[in-house]
Amino acid sequence: GNSVTQMEGPVTLSEEAFLTINCTYTATGYPSLFWYVQYPGEGLQLLLKATKADDKGSNKGFEATYRKETTSFHLEKGSVQVSDSAVYFCALREGDDYKLSFGAGTTVTVRA
Amino acid sequence: GAGVSQSPSNKVTEKGKDVELRCDPISGHTALYWYRQSLGQGLEFLIYFQGNSAPDKSGLPSDRFSAERTGGSVSTLTIQRTQQEDSAVYLCASSPGWGGADTQYFGPGTRLTVL
Repeated sequence: GNSVTQMEGPVTLSEEAFLTINCTYTATGYPSLFWYVQYPGEGLQLLLKATKADDKGSNKGFEATYRKETTSFHLEKGSVQVSDSAVYFCALREGDDYKLSFGAGTTVTVRA
Repeated sequence: GAGVSQSPSNKVTEKGKDVELRCDPISGHTALYWYRQSLGQGLEFLIYFQGNSAPDKSGLPSDRFSAERTGGSVSTLTIQRTQQEDSAVYLCASSPGWGGADTQYFGPGTRLTVL
């Protein structure tokens, strides 16, 4: 079956530091890959997505590249802000399926 | 427009009691999903509604769990005879059409604690 593994948190960074959250997946076919973010007190929001190998999703300074050879979709941001403090979830959807399979989430805290 | 809303935001109940969790999807969205997030785990799919089609209940963990969607809009997730392992955050999401191609929009969740 499908599964997503992401690095465990919590992660604590200083403002302007570089952030990487690792995500690897297992899927039988060719999944679409997602990063969702949950800010304190808010619902999950789609941060970025990629639907095929070598695609790069980007939003709000975050990037992730779909790497089929390493079955990875690592999230990166070059210079984080306090407002980036949130829980980040990696997820996949297999083909045309509607179900999302999520990782456990990584809590990121950015200190001023 | 308003996003997905859920109520209550927090629910504390005693083991053995029944609980109802409510989800109001974004107006006009035909697809609705329930997920569960247990402590330290990712979100787990529970059930999917699409229009008037029969729901996909394949993710419901036991027959104590049920859900309905009235009038193609509001959904209620019911847990009967709650157990401590039911403690989790229950998230609802909706999407405009067929879920395979649409972005899912999530509500803030209901945190359920079973004592």
